[in-house]
Amino acid sequence: QKEVEQNSGPLSVPEGAIASLNCTYSDRGSQSFFWYRQYSGKSPELIMSIYSNGDKEDGRFTAQLNKASQYVSLLIRDSQPSDSATYLCAPHKLIFGTGTRLQVFP
Amino acid sequence: DAGVIQSPRHEVTEMGQEVTLRCKPISGHNSLFWYRQTMMRGLELLIYFNNNVPIDDSGMPEDRFSAKMPNASFSTLKIQPSEPRDSAVYFCASGPYGGNQPQHFGDGTRLSIL
Repeated sequence: QKEVEQNSGPLSVPEGAIASLNCTYSDRGSQSFFWYRQYSGKSPELIMSIYSNGDKEDGRFTAQLNKASQYVSLLIRDSQPSDSATYLCAPHKLIFGTGTRLQVFP
Repeated sequence: DAGVIQSPRHEVTEMGQEVTLRCKPISGHNSLFWYRQTMMRGLELLIYFNNNVPIDDSGMPEDRFSAKMPNASFSTLKIQPSEPRDSAVYFCASGPYGGNQPQHFGDGTRLSIL
């Protein structure tokens, strides 16, 4: 089992819809969880961090963490074409998933 | 805040040549990380330093790779000799010390070995 699993996508959603990105991880000891956004040809950019079970909201972004299920997700509400990017899950600051490519079409 | 600064942004060189990538972390950050990103393998940690000391270099692919951090404001990643399979984007990142603190990435060096 990979340490971090993400669906590579692409996940295609229409503008204005909710995009749901999922991530599972194998290390039960993980305490810190990060979501990074990476535009093509650019570096990863931190968009969300979550440390405890439940939901954390920041603007149009909501991170959800379930440590018992070893599952973390990112919801993007009112998706915009500018959200089109690859989203990397990091259940530890040293380990990254391979990312899910999100495409938001007008 | 100037961010993490990497140089060069692009490097094209021939197989067998020595390659040196440079990184200046964000001032005050005492953890520094070197990553390599490829389409096939994604973002892989090569090595990281805390307070200029290498903590984990298990991700360094082989002896051809070496990294140094002579002081808190500078680090290098060297490949000698380089091979075509080393072609990738190399990122440097820095962050505050501590497992729950995220890191901030530089713009990366796109390396092509011919």
